[in-house]
Amino acid sequence: AQSVTQLGSHVSVSEGALVLLRCNYSSSVPPYLFWYVQYPNQGLQLLLKYTSAATLVKGINGFEAEFKKSETSFHLTKPSAHMSDAAEYFCAVSDRGGGADGLTFGKGTHLIIQP
Amino acid sequence: DTAVSQTPKYLVTQMGNDKSIKCEQNLGHDTMYWYKQDSKKFLKIMFSYNNKELIINETVPNRFSPKSPDKAHLNLHINSLELGDSAVYFCASSQAGSTDTQYFGPGTRLTVL
Repeated sequence: AQSVTQLGSHVSVSEGALVLLRCNYSSSVPPYLFWYVQYPNQGLQLLLKYTSAATLVKGINGFEAEFKKSETSFHLTKPSAHMSDAAEYFCAVSDRGGGADGLTFGKGTHLIIQP
Repeated sequence: DTAVSQTPKYLVTQMGNDKSIKCEQNLGHDTMYWYKQDSKKFLKIMFSYNNKELIINETVPNRFSPKSPDKAHLNLHINSLELGDSAVYFCASSQAGSTDTQYFGPGTRLTVL
């Protein structure tokens, strides 16, 4: 079974600083990986996804993530944090391939932006 | 024109009651899901439906039953509610296939007293 580990339940950065949210996965087959963002009292919104095409994936709001098979990682980055980036971020994996697959989520990382 | 909608947004009820949460998607997707988010914000898949057929049922108590009257709707019925059922429930939809983006509804916060 696949699993996802997000290191750091809370990450705090200053406005304008680099954002780095870590995600490591465990999967017996090539995974499909996703990053979702959840703003307070809202549903989840897709930031980006990796589906075995380019290893560097660009998403919305200036976020990107790099798939590194050797490290089983899919870390999320943004060069310059903005106050509006404060939210909960979830890494998720789906590896069953074909059909209707639920996502397996990490426990989430709460991103705090310091002014 | 909301893509995935859920009603109600908040639901407060007593233990032992039976309740339903409705979900509708207007994206023309083939597959719909229910997820549970607990108080620590951990998200876990409960069910998925593909063309009215249950595909996944992840060790969810049989007090929970999804019902899909058509491809655009997947309702969640919960019988004999327990304190531990308090959570936020999210509906989602996607085209069939694990590479496809799942679009989430706004969530229903269920509180069992």
